[in-house]
Amino acid sequence: GEQVEQRPPHLSVREGDSAIIICTYTDSATAYFSWYKQEAGAGLQLLMSVLSNVDRKEEQGLTVLLNKKDKRLSLNLTAAHPGDSAVYFCAVRASSGSWQLIFGSGTQLTVMP
Amino acid sequence: GPKVLQIPSHQIIDMGQMVTLNCDPVSNHLYFYWYKQILGQQMEFLVNFYNGKVMEKSKLFKDQFSVERPDGSYFTLKIQPTALEDSAVYFCASSRTGADNQAPLFGEGTRLSVL
Repeated sequence: GEQVEQRPPHLSVREGDSAIIICTYTDSATAYFSWYKQEAGAGLQLLMSVLSNVDRKEEQGLTVLLNKKDKRLSLNLTAAHPGDSAVYFCAVRASSGSWQLIFGSGTQLTVMP
Repeated sequence: GPKVLQIPSHQIIDMGQMVTLNCDPVSNHLYFYWYKQILGQQMEFLVNFYNGKVMEKSKLFKDQFSVERPDGSYFTLKIQPTALEDSAVYFCASSRTGADNQAPLFGEGTRLSVL
């Protein structure tokens, strides 16, 4: 079945720098890709989602890139600020017919002032 | 914006007892999900529920687990009997449809501690 690997597990950046988190997946039929943010003690906040026909999506300082050839999904936070400090998860859904989201292992992002 | 509410936020229970976790999904959502997150690990899918039926479940959804949404009230996850390995945070999610472009909204989770 689908396997998702996420890296790095921990990432520290200075305020104003960019932060890049990468997930790789195994199933080429994967149809849906998303990024979630989890602040300490809280639930998951959906940041952005894309379907497999989208290569790039930008919203509010976030850029999601999808490279289907390499089966790689990335999240780029441009100009990170301390409020971005949280755990970030990628989540993918395999081909239509499954409602299951498969999550990456998470990246603990710390943005230092 | 719309929110998925989970009650209680924390539950402590003795091993072997029954526990019911409650979820109040977004009002016009029709698809409901439970996920399990053991401390420090990623979220793992348990079950998807639609139109009164389990549509899909994972191997983590043991025979001791059951879900229901009686009369459009809370969507519940019942564990009977509980085991030590059931200690985790359980997240409920809901979506309006099951389509590929529908991102589930997640609640803030119920932390279950089985002693």
